Amino acid sequence: KAGVTQTPRYLIKTRGQQVTLSCSPISGHRSVSWYQQTPGQGLQFLFEYFSETQRNKGNFPGRFSGRQFSNSRSEMNVSTLELGDSALYLCASSWTGKNIQYFGAGTRLSVL
Amino acid sequence: EDQVTQSPEALRLQEGESSSLNCSYTVSGLRGLFWYRQDPGKGPEFLFTLYSAGEEKEKERLKATLTKKESFLHITAPKPEDSATYLCAVRDTGNQFYFGTGTSLTVIP
Repeated sequence: KAGVTQTPRYLIKTRGQQVTLSCSPISGHRSVSWYQQTPGQGLQFLFEYFSETQRNKGNFPGRFSGRQFSNSRSEMNVSTLELGDSALYLCASSWTGKNIQYFGAGTRLSVL
Repeated sequence: EDQVTQSPEALRLQEGESSSLNCSYTVSGLRGLFWYRQDPGKGPEFLFTLYSAGEEKEKERLKATLTKKESFLHITAPKPEDSATYLCAVRDTGNQFYFGTGTSLTVIP
């Protein structure tokens, strides 16, 4: 069974640009969550989608947004990039969002 | 506010030297405590889930335990391949996950 797939693995952007990250969950999983991981803050919850609806949202500015498609694939968008957005962005999927989350390898975003 | 604190931040052990990692939490209604292992350049890999105080889970050299305020990850006779960052997370009644910042474990041959 394929795991969680995140693309691209690495991204380099400049301040002010926008970026879209993609996540394909494990087959059959309907919940997708996004996290930002930085050395100082650890994993910070961004948002969770379940059946195309945002079910939970963390404490991040409106520049961070996401969506989920009918096949459960999810995208995360960050607009007007700032230097502080440099991080590893992780996607996790689970059956319903109420149990074990399985993580992808992440997308490493560097903002110059 | 829900919070997860892990200690120590970093731990160096000789191969075979057993030790424990700590995860203390404050959460409004615990709906599960999770341990993950993360290797450099990879996403976290699920290890254990614990749901109630007194529960224990084991896998090879790892054993996780849970009390009402903290969890321990015991590592018995570790090997160099156990070197990784170990993350603890809790799920609250709002179905939100909170992660600690992790313990970086290095096992020296």
